[in-house]
Amino acid sequence: DTAVSQTPKYLVTQMGNDKSIKCEQNLGHDTMYWYKQDSKKFLKIMFSYNNKELIINETVPNRFSPKSPDKAHLNLHINSLELGDSAVYFCASSHRTGEHGYTFGSGTRLTVV
Amino acid sequence: AQRVTQPEKLLSVFKGAPVELKCNYSYSGSPELFWYVQYSRQRLQLLLRHISRESIKGFTADLNKGETSFHLKKPFAQEEDSAMYYCALSGGSNYKLTFGKGTLLTVNP
Repeated sequence: DTAVSQTPKYLVTQMGNDKSIKCEQNLGHDTMYWYKQDSKKFLKIMFSYNNKELIINETVPNRFSPKSPDKAHLNLHINSLELGDSAVYFCASSHRTGEHGYTFGSGTRLTVV
Repeated sequence: AQRVTQPEKLLSVFKGAPVELKCNYSYSGSPELFWYVQYSRQRLQLLLRHISRESIKGFTADLNKGETSFHLKKPFAQEEDSAMYYCALSGGSNYKLTFGKGTLLTVNP
């Protein structure tokens, strides 16, 4: 039973394309997140949703749009992909206060060519 | 603003040697601190939470509010400990988890 699952695991696409990454959690958490890990392994939060409501929106280009159809799902849609978008994107979930830590998905390695 | 500093980008030790991965934080309130580990090309896994004061895989970490530090320690490193270690802080009204830049630990045989 995978707690936080992301699809696809790998994504190779051309510049200018639009792509989506899906995330689902079966832990009963009410908060979900998207993090970006760049080539230097830095982890930066992008978005957070609590019960389908956007609560964190860091400085991210508006080509990135998260969508949460319900509290168990948080998808990330990226328009007009650029070379600099190449990274590993991690989805995570937690209870609202996060005191038990976050549970991460296995990541989606996005390569823009 | 909350900030986490891991001063060492790389740390290399020999098997059986003690290891300490440093973490300092900056936060005006009462933070919750964590250590996460990422083995090669795998997901991040929670290693320790400061509130639980537990020991996982021989690792411990003590929150020192005076020095604003949460260093991770293990008395005898094993080769399987080789991984990227991230210190993280949760705080603020939105409980955002902010990560340090990570320390890549290599344990040599």
